[in-house]
Amino acid sequence: KNQVEQSPQSLIILEGKNCTLQCNYTVSPFSNLRWYKQDTGRGPVSLTIMTFSENTKSNGRYTATLDADTKQSSLHITASQLSDSASYICVVSDFSGGYNKLIFGAGTRLAVHP
Amino acid sequence: EAQVTQNPRYLITVTGKKLTVTCSQNMNHEYMSWYRQDPGLGLRQIYYSMNVEVTDKGDVPEGYKVSRKEKRNFPLILESPSPNQTSLYFCASTETGGLNEQYFGPGTRLTVT
Repeated sequence: KNQVEQSPQSLIILEGKNCTLQCNYTVSPFSNLRWYKQDTGRGPVSLTIMTFSENTKSNGRYTATLDADTKQSSLHITASQLSDSASYICVVSDFSGGYNKLIFGAGTRLAVHP
Repeated sequence: EAQVTQNPRYLITVTGKKLTVTCSQNMNHEYMSWYRQDPGLGLRQIYYSMNVEVTDKGDVPEGYKVSRKEKRNFPLILESPSPNQTSLYFCASTETGGLNEQYFGPGTRLTVT
């Protein structure tokens, strides 16, 4: 069964600190992996998209890594800001049907405290 | 500005009263989809459409209908809502193709009593 699992479920850090969120998946066939940021009450917004051949991709203070062999990804947030408080969702795409069927993780809820 | 809009943003209704949630995108995207988001679960796809007059079931289609008469619009219809359809709903659109970004609407919070 195609699944995406994220850990931790929730995380509290102090402003300025770094953190790393984890994603494990069992999706096959694999097309690409995405990280989204979802603010409370808003729709998800894309942070990064990676194919199996990419090991790392950055978007400002966000850096995603992908190990396609172990089927693991991580999202590293550097020098956190209060505005980073949100849910971070790992999404894996199965393109076998000719379109991007997205399988969503349940998300990690991050709270950044001053 | 490129965007996906949904209306209404909030809706409280009673069991059995038909309702429609509208979705519109201004990016000329071919592919549109509807998701529901429930606490502790990832977004789950309800229906998707690969082009005008082409729709198909997602993972949780029971109790929902959709139509795609125009490229920009993709309404979600609940013919007889039930309390287990209380959820946060998102419409999304994208160009077809492997690495295209999917754009999400702002969400519609539906409560069925």
